Amino acid sequence: DAKTTQPNSMESNEEEPVHLPCNHSTISGTDYIHWYRQLPSQGPEYVIHGLTSNVNNRMASLAIAEDRKSSTLILHRATLRDAAVYYCILRDFGSSNTGKLIFGQGTTLQVKP
Amino acid sequence: NAGVTQTPKFRVLKTGQSMTLLCAQDMNHEYMYWYRQDPGMGLRLIHYSVGEGTTAKGEVPDGYNVSRLKKQNFLLGLESAAPSQTSVYFCASSLTSGFGEQYFGPGTRLTVT
Repeated sequence: DAKTTQPNSMESNEEEPVHLPCNHSTISGTDYIHWYRQLPSQGPEYVIHGLTSNVNNRMASLAIAEDRKSSTLILHRATLRDAAVYYCILRDFGSSNTGKLIFGQGTTLQVKP
Repeated sequence: NAGVTQTPKFRVLKTGQSMTLLCAQDMNHEYMYWYRQDPGMGLRLIHYSVGEGTTAKGEVPDGYNVSRLKKQNFLLGLESAAPSQTSVYFCASSLTSGFGEQYFGPGTRLTVT
């Protein structure tokens, strides 16, 4: 399974944009890029996913590099509720077809008022 | 919809005792997963199921058994609990395998003394 690399922690000020980077240099053609986040004492929750093109939803935007070796999760206006661990995960929809998620350490995002 | 629910929320076991964790989902999802999360770490996959009556091993299956007799339920069993199984256990489900979101339950905090 292809691996991802994320910074251990990041800080942001409330109401400012946050750019969370993820490197995945060994990504394969059948890997989707997924982002999940885990708020304190809760289960992970889905944020966004994409394959090649940039994606937007109500929670965030996902910018994917042209060579797909890196991506960036963008929170347009961070709130205190966005303080969480953010996981960048590659999910293979190819031959294995199990849908399992492989979690790394993630990035702990602190949001300061 | 209740989404994904887990029973119990907390449990303390003595070494050697057995217990079953119950996961239920009301979204008619085919795929279900059991993960464990140790302090300061990401989630690791224990077992998963791609449909009713099927189960498969994940990354850390030793010491656990699972059953998926009904589509909506996925049970995780510990036959002889060990202190190393002290962890937070999360169940998840998804409609599709390679893409689309996984929905997580609130977790079960298990302590083995």
